[in-house]
Amino acid sequence: NAGVTQTPKFRVLKTGQSMTLLCAQDMNHEYMYWYRQDPGMGLRLIHYSVGEGTTAKGEVPDGYNVSRLKKQNFLLGLESAAPSQTSVYFCASGYRDSPLHFGNGTRLTVT
Amino acid sequence: GQQLNQSPQSMFIQEGEDVSMNCTSSSIFNTWLWYKQDPGEGPVLLIALYKAGELTSNGRLTAQFGITRKDSFLNISASIPSDVGIYFCAGGDMYSGGGADGLTFGKGTHLIIQP
Repeated sequence: NAGVTQTPKFRVLKTGQSMTLLCAQDMNHEYMYWYRQDPGMGLRLIHYSVGEGTTAKGEVPDGYNVSRLKKQNFLLGLESAAPSQTSVYFCASGYRDSPLHFGNGTRLTVT
Repeated sequence: GQQLNQSPQSMFIQEGEDVSMNCTSSSIFNTWLWYKQDPGEGPVLLIALYKAGELTSNGRLTAQFGITRKDSFLNISASIPSDVGIYFCAGGDMYSGGGADGLTFGKGTHLIIQP
């Protein structure tokens, strides 16, 4: 039972490059989320999805796009990476009335 | 937006001591959650609280949902080395359909245990 799986685990980008972070969950959860974690800032919501084909903005959505083409996958895209996007990114999933289950994170460095 | 004040930011304690941390909010929540994060891993749920005044235990951990619904605390009794990590509180509105954007996280309490 894999739970929430994030790929890649680590990535280094140069400013202006693009990349996609993949989140996959095998728990048939309706809701999926992308958070970023920065020192002293806790977890901040970037985007979320309440079901296949739907997405919505969270607290800090600028510079990111997301897609939920399949229920089990939630993709986070950076079209033109900036140093301010250096962070640890966490994906989470859950049902409507359940606590969230988190992946183990993707550590992204933008130089 | 909603904000959670989690304190203390960090704790340096001796093994065997009891630990107490809390979260307060300017807004009412109908759900309080406590997570623990180990280095290099994602947060893992410790305790979920769904009712004002609720007191719930999970082994050496005890958490309470404040009567005002604006606060919660987490206690750890007889700390051991594996308790080291970052503890996060989170407030939400699970039953109002707010499960999507309804979780607001505190900034975490770093627990460091000296043997």
